Amino acid sequence: SQQGEEDPQALSIQEGENATMNCSYKTSINNLQWYRQNSGRGLVHLILIRSNEREKHSGRLRVTLDTSKKSSSLLITASRAADTASYFCATDDQGAQKLVFGQGTRLTINP
Amino acid sequence: NAGVTQTPKFRVLKTGQSMTLLCAQDMNHEYMYWYRQDPGMGLRLIHYSVGEGTTAKGEVPDGYNVSRLKKQNFLLGLESAAPSQTSVYFCASSYSMSGTWYFGPGTRLTVT
Repeated sequence: SQQGEEDPQALSIQEGENATMNCSYKTSINNLQWYRQNSGRGLVHLILIRSNEREKHSGRLRVTLDTSKKSSSLLITASRAADTASYFCATDDQGAQKLVFGQGTRLTINP
Repeated sequence: NAGVTQTPKFRVLKTGQSMTLLCAQDMNHEYMYWYRQDPGMGLRLIHYSVGEGTTAKGEVPDGYNVSRLKKQNFLLGLESAAPSQTSVYFCASSYSMSGTWYFGPGTRLTVT
């Protein structure tokens, strides 16, 4: 079963606007990661946030983590057409040895 | 560094045929994983390995076998292909569970 669940499943915005995607998970985790997948390509790592961190920034990306609510959000500011992709959150279950992915959010940036 | 490579990139099989997908990484990673990606299903874990000579079942292991004889290679075998195994297969590797995961470009498999 999926550990992470992204919301919304699809998001379409205008270039220059901010895009926010959410991820919820079920069990205790060591860290949570966000990945991007362009159409027909493999996944590319964007950012990792550890369970003892609440917020992390990388360029135009901002990730928050609320372990009490078992949720995370990814904010992309000043979106560009090149940000069009699917975005996945992934968690590693404490004690388990695997990374579990959600179903992803498909983001479309309209020029 | 080539990173994570997958061979082949595309393949069409007939039902009942067998094949092996090869994943190779040159980053000296311990952890290697095979996922399949289907529309609307996200990525589902097939099998994984936490070190040379070790393998373990993931979420959807039926119909697949794996081997990790060398640290840099992780092979995924389909013994008798079925149409339900039509999918895109991704290999991933990492130095540790809490580190960055690197993905291969994928293998698109069609079983007719």
